[in-house]
Amino acid sequence: DAMVIQNPRYQVTQFGKPVTLSCSQTLNHNVMYWYQQKSSQAPKLLFHYYDKDFNNEADTPDNFQSRRPNTSFCFLDIRSPGLGDAAMYLCATSGGLADPSSYNEQFFGPGTRLTVL
Amino acid sequence: AQSVTQLDSQVPVFEEAPVELRCNYSSSVSVYLFWYVQYPNQGLQLLLKYLSGSTLVKGINGFEAEFNKSQTSFHLRKPSVHISDTAEYFCAVSFSGGYNKLIFGAGTRLAVHP
Repeated sequence: DAMVIQNPRYQVTQFGKPVTLSCSQTLNHNVMYWYQQKSSQAPKLLFHYYDKDFNNEADTPDNFQSRRPNTSFCFLDIRSPGLGDAAMYLCATSGGLADPSSYNEQFFGPGTRLTVL
Repeated sequence: AQSVTQLDSQVPVFEEAPVELRCNYSSSVSVYLFWYVQYPNQGLQLLLKYLSGSTLVKGINGFEAEFNKSQTSFHLRKPSVHISDTAEYFCAVSFSGGYNKLIFGAGTRLAVHP
């Protein structure tokens, strides 16, 4: 089945220790998104890639970076995690060339829950 | 500015009772509308979507929603809920034309009691 995969599902890191979260997709979608979701809140968009073009949200801290080495993979790097960065991180995709209507919908992965000690 | 309001942060209901989760949006342009469900420690699963056509949309797990353009609403309904429907529900909108960001409501926690 075509899907969005996130690894790991649970990640524990130490305060200030860099961490990388991974997202891959088999949908061949052009657009990939990263969201941060804190407890009992709605997901908050951090940034997205349209193909290779990176689009940062204005209020995304500089501590958060992203890489998209190819169509299938996208990484979220947190350079110096703080206690306030503990959250669920969601990856989503949209927009397949074979199905233009798929640009109108986002497909979510299962998320990575990050704990900062 | 576009926004989404989910009018109830929590909805308690007994098993087999009907439920309605309310969603209103604000936009000056045409919208696409979505309901997502999120179970604990999981990602978002699409319940249903309105892109165009019939304003009554049927989704998975027996849910349906009706797009009401004049009232700018997209309320989610289920005639008989189960314990397994206990979850967080998010209403979201995006805007027609190309690819677009989703704007989420704050979420409604549905708690189904036996």
